[in-house]
Amino acid sequence: KQEVTQIPAALSVPEGENLVLNCSFTDSAIYNLQWFRQDPGKGLTSLLLIQSSQREQTSGRLNASLDKSSGRSTLYIAASQPGDSATYLCAVGDNQGGKLIFGQGTELSVKP
Amino acid sequence: DADVTQTPRNRITKTGKRIMLECSQTKGHDRMYWYRQDPGLGLRLIYYSFDVKDINKGEISDGYSVSRQAQAKFSLSLESAIPNQTALYFCATSAGTSGRTDTQYFGPGTRLTVL
Repeated sequence: KQEVTQIPAALSVPEGENLVLNCSFTDSAIYNLQWFRQDPGKGLTSLLLIQSSQREQTSGRLNASLDKSSGRSTLYIAASQPGDSATYLCAVGDNQGGKLIFGQGTELSVKP
Repeated sequence: DADVTQTPRNRITKTGKRIMLECSQTKGHDRMYWYRQDPGLGLRLIYYSFDVKDINKGEISDGYSVSRQAQAKFSLSLESAIPNQTALYFCATSAGTSGRTDTQYFGPGTRLTVL
């Protein structure tokens, strides 16, 4: 059974710092991996999707990497801003198609 | 207007009551999903539907049922609510093609409290 783990559970950094969020999964037979952002009281917003054949995806200040063989993904946030404060979740798409398995999330706080 | 809407946004009910949560989407997607989120446990899949005639159980379907009334509508029912069904419920959609997963788009969530 696929298990997805995110470490740390919470992270607090000063504004302007570069940071890395980690995601690990136990079964490398994934179809893709997605990173989401969740703001309090709101739904999830998709940030990046990496297909299993890809190594990384970039969007603005965000860069996500994928290493299937080691079961790891990282989300790199450059020059963090207070507006980046949110919970970040990673989810792996199973090889059967159509289902996501989520990690527990990392709660990020960026202090001005 | 939001692409994925959920009603109600908040609901408080009593043990044993029947509850229906509704989801509508204007994205034209075939695939729809229901998740629940509990503190510290992330999101877990309850049911999913790849088209109007296709309904599948997810990881935690016991105590829940669903109805796909149309491509745009997917409802989740709790036949007899119990307190441990207190959670945040999310609906999601994706375009999807056979054998692959695509970006999922989430509704704003329904906060359900069962007393």
